[in-house]
Amino acid sequence: GQQLNQSPQSMFIQEGEDVSMNCTSSSIFNTWLWYKQEPGEGPVLLIALYKAGELTSNGRLTAQFGITRKDSFLNISASIPSDVGIYFCAHGSSNTGKLIFGQGTTLQVKP
Amino acid sequence: EAQVTQNPRYLITVTGKKLTVTCSQNMNHEYMSWYRQDPGLGLRQIYYSMNVEVTDKGDVPEGYKVSRKEKRNFPLILESPSPNQTSLYFCASGLRGYTQYFGPGTRLTVL
Repeated sequence: GQQLNQSPQSMFIQEGEDVSMNCTSSSIFNTWLWYKQEPGEGPVLLIALYKAGELTSNGRLTAQFGITRKDSFLNISASIPSDVGIYFCAHGSSNTGKLIFGQGTTLQVKP
Repeated sequence: EAQVTQNPRYLITVTGKKLTVTCSQNMNHEYMSWYRQDPGLGLRQIYYSMNVEVTDKGDVPEGYKVSRKEKRNFPLILESPSPNQTSLYFCASGLRGYTQYFGPGTRLTVL
């Protein structure tokens, strides 16, 4: 079946550092999504990308839809303690609602 | 307040005892989905629905049933639960297939 590989699996960084994480897929879909999940909560949508090459920002977060349509990147600039959580990428079809999630990147920020 | 609600939030049951987890959204969304979350595996889509009476299998549908008789409700049914269905379950909805708002989760334990 389709697979989505997300890396790194975990990161432990100092407050103020920049963060980069990425996802690669074995399939081509028309949507990339990035979510954040905090402990005890459901995931929250951060950024949605709809076409190859698209670069979108949400505050200190920036995500890109790869040109090959099989990868995506999320960058967080100047990290702060509240950035702590699990970040998931998801890849899917906006026509049907089918989504495939990555395994998640756990981010820890040291004040 | 726009939200996705799930009930119950916590459930402990025994093998073979049929159960239903309810999901309701008040945003008039067409798309609804069910996911399970297990450590190291991320979120896996169980079923998704594009509209009333239109549902399709996700990546892990075995042992689950769904129905979409009304736009706002999307219950998840386990006809004969087994221990390997012990997991954290999330319902989600979206105006389009990729715009997903998640509920707070249901933690299910099957003994």
